[in-house]
Amino acid sequence: DGGITQSPKYLFRKEGQNVTLSCEQNLNHDAMYWYRQDPGQGLRLIYYSQIVNDFQKGDIAEGYSVSREKKESFPLTVTSAQKNPTAFYLCASNRRDGSYEQYFGPGTRLTVT
Amino acid sequence: KNQVEQSPQSLIILEGKNCTLQCNYTVSPFSNLRWYKQDTGRGPVSLTIMTFSENTKSNGRYTATLDADTKQSSLHITASQLSDSASYICVVSGNDYKLSFGAGTTVTVRA
Repeated sequence: DGGITQSPKYLFRKEGQNVTLSCEQNLNHDAMYWYRQDPGQGLRLIYYSQIVNDFQKGDIAEGYSVSREKKESFPLTVTSAQKNPTAFYLCASNRRDGSYEQYFGPGTRLTVT
Repeated sequence: KNQVEQSPQSLIILEGKNCTLQCNYTVSPFSNLRWYKQDTGRGPVSLTIMTFSENTKSNGRYTATLDADTKQSSLHITASQLSDSASYICVVSGNDYKLSFGAGTTVTVRA
C-alpha cells in the first residue's frame, strides 16, 4: 500500500516545547515538502527538499527546522521560536520527472497551549 | 506576487444539483493548474491537472476548464452527491517545485 504517512494525527504540546512531526513516503519520490494550513488561507510552504541531505526554506521557515537523511523520511521540528505553531501541517512529495503530480499525507493537527 | 483567488468562499447546494467553482490567478510564468479536493481534517487529493495547452479535463463528475489567456479556471461538479462536501483547492505552478495555493471553496451538499 503506497503513500505518505504522517504521525501522529493529533499532537498537543505546551508552549515553549519543541515538537517533531513525522513524514514517511514509500513512493520513491525525490522531492518532499512541508506545508502549513490555517483556516481561510491557502497552504503555505515551510520547507522543501529535492534530494537527500539537501533542503531549502520556503515562505514561512522561521521557527521550523527539518532534516532529510533518508529519501523516504522528512521530519519537521516546530521549535519554541515559532510564535504561532497551532495549525494543520501537511507533508507532500512528488517525482522530479516533469509529471508534477504532488501527493499529500493525511496531515497532523498540532495544538500548542 | 503570485496569487490565486477562488470564489465563492463557500456554497451550499442540494444533492443532485450542479455547481461551478472559480479560480483566477496571476502566476507567471505558468506551468500547470491543479484542482484538489480536501475532506475535513484530511490531506488534499488531486482531481485534475491541466497544462497550458489543455482547456478542459474531466474526472468522473468533475470537469475543470482552463483559459490561460485570461488566467481563469473553473471546476464544475455535476449531479452532486453528499460525498462531494469538501473544500476544493485551486493550485497553480509556475516552475517545477513551487506551488501557489488558493484559499479554497467549501462546498456543502445537503440532502
